[in-house]
Amino acid sequence: GENVEQHPSTLSVQEGDSAVIKCTYSDSASNYFPWYKQELGKGPQLIIDIRSNVGEKKDQRIAVTLNKTAKHFSLHITETQPEDSAVYFCAASRPSGGSYIPTFGRGTSLIVHP
Amino acid sequence: GAGVSQSPRYKVAKRGQDVALRCDPISGHVSLFWYQQALGQGPEFLTYFQNEAQLDKSGLPSDRFFAERPEGSVSTLKIQRTQQEDSAVYLCASSPRGAFTEYFGPGTRLTVT
Repeated sequence: GENVEQHPSTLSVQEGDSAVIKCTYSDSASNYFPWYKQELGKGPQLIIDIRSNVGEKKDQRIAVTLNKTAKHFSLHITETQPEDSAVYFCAASRPSGGSYIPTFGRGTSLIVHP
Repeated sequence: GAGVSQSPRYKVAKRGQDVALRCDPISGHVSLFWYQQALGQGPEFLTYFQNEAQLDKSGLPSDRFFAERPEGSVSTLKIQRTQQEDSAVYLCASSPRGAFTEYFGPGTRLTVT
């Protein structure tokens, strides 16, 4: 089955700095890669996603890159703010029965110091 | 509008008891997913429904776990004879037809003592 590795497990930055989280996956059948933000006591919330036919996608301060050949993808957050503090999960999703079934990484706890 | 809701939010069960966890997806969403999230880990897929059909249950850890969605809306995850290793947050997510985006509920935290 799919195996997703996520690094680092904890990331501490100063407000205004950039943050980068990296993930690798193993199953070449995975072709959809969402990123989620989870705050304490809440369910994960999708922040950005990328399909396998795209190498990069950007949405305001957030960008994601994908290298299908190397099977790795990354999340970049620029100009970090204290409200960006949360746990971030990457996922590699495989098609199944008309939808996509994700395998999640173990998460990165991002702390943005004011 | 209303998001995905789950009940109860917290459940404490004695080992060996049966539990039932409920998920109310966003109205009209065709797809419904269940996940198990252990402390400090990412969510792990359990099962997936499209309308009332259970299309993938490859993530259910044992035959003590059972999920249903009889009318294609509300879903129930049932765990029989709970064990300590079942302690986790159980997340439900729903998705509209043709979309990849999953909308998660707040989860039910199950503690088995």
